[in-house]
Amino acid sequence: AQTIHQWPVAEIKAVGSPLSLGCTIKGKSSPNLYWYWQATGGTLQQLFYSITVGQVESVVQLNLSASRPKDDQFILSTEKLLLSHSGFYLCAGGQDTQYFGPGTRLLVL
Amino acid sequence: QQQVRQSPQSLTVWEGETAILNCSYENSAFDYFPWYQQFPGEGPALLIAIRSVSDKKEDGRFTIFFNKREKKLSLHITDSQPGDSATYFCAARLTGANTGKLTFGHGTILRVHP
Repeated sequence: AQTIHQWPVAEIKAVGSPLSLGCTIKGKSSPNLYWYWQATGGTLQQLFYSITVGQVESVVQLNLSASRPKDDQFILSTEKLLLSHSGFYLCAGGQDTQYFGPGTRLLVL
Repeated sequence: QQQVRQSPQSLTVWEGETAILNCSYENSAFDYFPWYQQFPGEGPALLIAIRSVSDKKEDGRFTIFFNKREKKLSLHITDSQPGDSATYFCAARLTGANTGKLTFGHGTILRVHP
């Protein structure tokens, strides 16, 4: 069975500070990987997807970047956080069926 | 442009009743429709999914009814339980989209009163 681990569980960061969120997926080789953002009480907005190691496609521009350094790892980052980056970040794996991780709660002050 | 719409925004039913959650879409090229259940503070969990070649998919108390001509689908939760209280998202994927990109609706908040 596929499992997704995200870290950290939660972060409180200052505006202008850097950020790095991580995701690992176990139980499936060469999965498609995705990053989503969810505002409190809102829908899920896909940010990035990756079909293979080293390849990442951006879906929306939010002053964020993503990288896939390993087959089972997906990283979301920015050098300068904005207030609008606050929210719930979710990593998902799969193609036909996407399975989500537990998420990382981010609060930017 | 909201390509996937859900209604109602929130729904309250009594324990034992059937909850009906609606979803409609605009793009006829969507061919796969998963429903996700999300509890506060958790990631969404896949509940049930249907492909556009089917008109019904059943899994225990959860059933999807799909009307391709009208571009509508609905999720029926029979014998609703308080533990079913959550937000339900309808999503859609384009035919042949090997990227697996999903478009989500805004969700329906379901409350089941004991």
